[in-house]
Amino acid sequence: AQKITQTQPGMFVQEKEAVTLDCTYDTSDQSYGLFWYKQPSSGEMIFLIYQGSYDEQNATEGRYSLNFQKARKSANLVISASQLGDSAMYFCAMREGGQAGTALIFGKGTTLSVSS
Amino acid sequence: DAMVIQNPRYQVTQFGKPVTLSCSQTLNHNVMYWYQQKSSQAPKLLFHYYDKDFNNEADTPDNFQSRRPNTSFCFLDIRSPGLGDAAMYLCATSIGTGGGYTFGSGTRLTVV
Repeated sequence: AQKITQTQPGMFVQEKEAVTLDCTYDTSDQSYGLFWYKQPSSGEMIFLIYQGSYDEQNATEGRYSLNFQKARKSANLVISASQLGDSAMYFCAMREGGQAGTALIFGKGTTLSVSS
Repeated sequence: DAMVIQNPRYQVTQFGKPVTLSCSQTLNHNVMYWYQQKSSQAPKLLFHYYDKDFNNEADTPDNFQSRRPNTSFCFLDIRSPGLGDAAMYLCATSIGTGGGYTFGSGTRLTVV
C-alpha cells in the first residue's frame, strides 16, 4: 500500500486565488513528520512547510499553510494568493517514527499551474 | 551559506560506461541520502549513510554503489548505466534525529 497518496496529478489556478493540494498518508507510527516540497522545472527540492504528528496547531509559513487532520490522516497544503512563480511540482513526504536517519517517503506529486 | 552541492548539474554518459555523481555538504549533517527521480515520478530512495554506516534499500540494483569517504562528501557510482537509469539524482542530508532535510540541486543524468 502507498504510504503517501496525492490524488491530483495536476491543478490549475488563477493568480491571487487560493489552492489546496491534497495529501493522505498511511502509517501505524505515533511519531511521524509530514513535509511539503516544491520542485520547479530546474529540479531542486525546495522545503515549504513541516507538520509534526504531535503538533496541535496547523503549521503556517507565509502564504503556505498545512491543513492537518490527524484522524483522517490527511495533510493538505493550502497556498493563498497564488503567484505565477508557484507553478511547479509539489510533493508531500513523510518521515515515519523517530529513528535516526529515517528517510523521507514521497508521494507522486501534483503539478500546479498558475495562470494570469 | 551552508548547503548541499551536487556536481555536475547535467551529466551525459554512454551506455555501459561507468559514471560517478558527487555530493558535498557544509552542514556537517550525519546522514546523507541518494534518491533517484525519473521523469514525472516521485523520488525513490536508493541508499543512505548514517555517519559511516551504509544502508541499502532492498530494491536498489547492484549496478548502483555509493561511497562516503568523509562527513562532507558522498558519491554515487553507476557501474554500467543503462537507458533506464536516465533520471534526476538527488542528494539530501539530515542531522539524523528529527530536524529537516536539505536537498542539493540534483544531477540530471542522460544515457546515450
